Amino acid sequence: GAVVSQHPSRVICKSGTSVKIECRSLDFQATTMFWYRQFPKKSLMLMATSNEGSKATYEQGVEKDKFLINHASLTLSTLTVTSAHPEDSSFYICSVSTPLAGGGETQYFGPGTRLLVL
Amino acid sequence: AQSVAQPEDQVNVAEGNPLTVKCTYSVSGNPYLFWYVQYPNRGLQFLLKYITGDNLVKGSYGFEAEFNKSQTSFHLKKPSALVSDSALYFCAVRDLGNDYKLSFGAGTTVTVRA
Repeated sequence: GAVVSQHPSRVICKSGTSVKIECRSLDFQATTMFWYRQFPKKSLMLMATSNEGSKATYEQGVEKDKFLINHASLTLSTLTVTSAHPEDSSFYICSVSTPLAGGGETQYFGPGTRLLVL
Repeated sequence: AQSVAQPEDQVNVAEGNPLTVKCTYSVSGNPYLFWYVQYPNRGLQFLLKYITGDNLVKGSYGFEAEFNKSQTSFHLKKPSALVSDSALYFCAVRDLGNDYKLSFGAGTTVTVRA
């Protein structure tokens, strides 16, 4: 499967600042990546679909201007949390959609980024 | 619309005993079904998937899952659980007509005691 990395793994910032999270597909050229948010002991909530070379597709209720997504290359997508507030504190996970041997495709996930906004 | 239900928040078993994690799904067409495992403060790891073919699917770390169309279920099983299997397990579904988006269940925390 695809190897996906995220950077940073953990970030603490002050309220009002912006934070950029990188998601890299290390061994697969990904036209599609996904960004999820996970609250403690909760399921993953899809935030947006990141499409290489075009605008991201946001899920309903996700603020486009607050969570900026840039998918500038086939191996890198970035999520920028702008003007972060304490309620943005969460675990952010990206994934890469890859084809499976035998048909279909699945998503391989990065290790996640823990954001704490003070 | 597509959705997944994992009816159990927690499953506790003794090491060496069989482990079952339940999942039911709802899709408008034919489903792609997946199981993922998450260890603390980590991303999700792919365990197995069902698309077509044999209803019994074998995956990583000795896990398997059985697709049951009539019951719309895709339960995860392991014949003999290990303490290291303790983790959070997610079932996910994708409708074949839906562009790549997965819908996840709420997750089931598995605790295997020695």
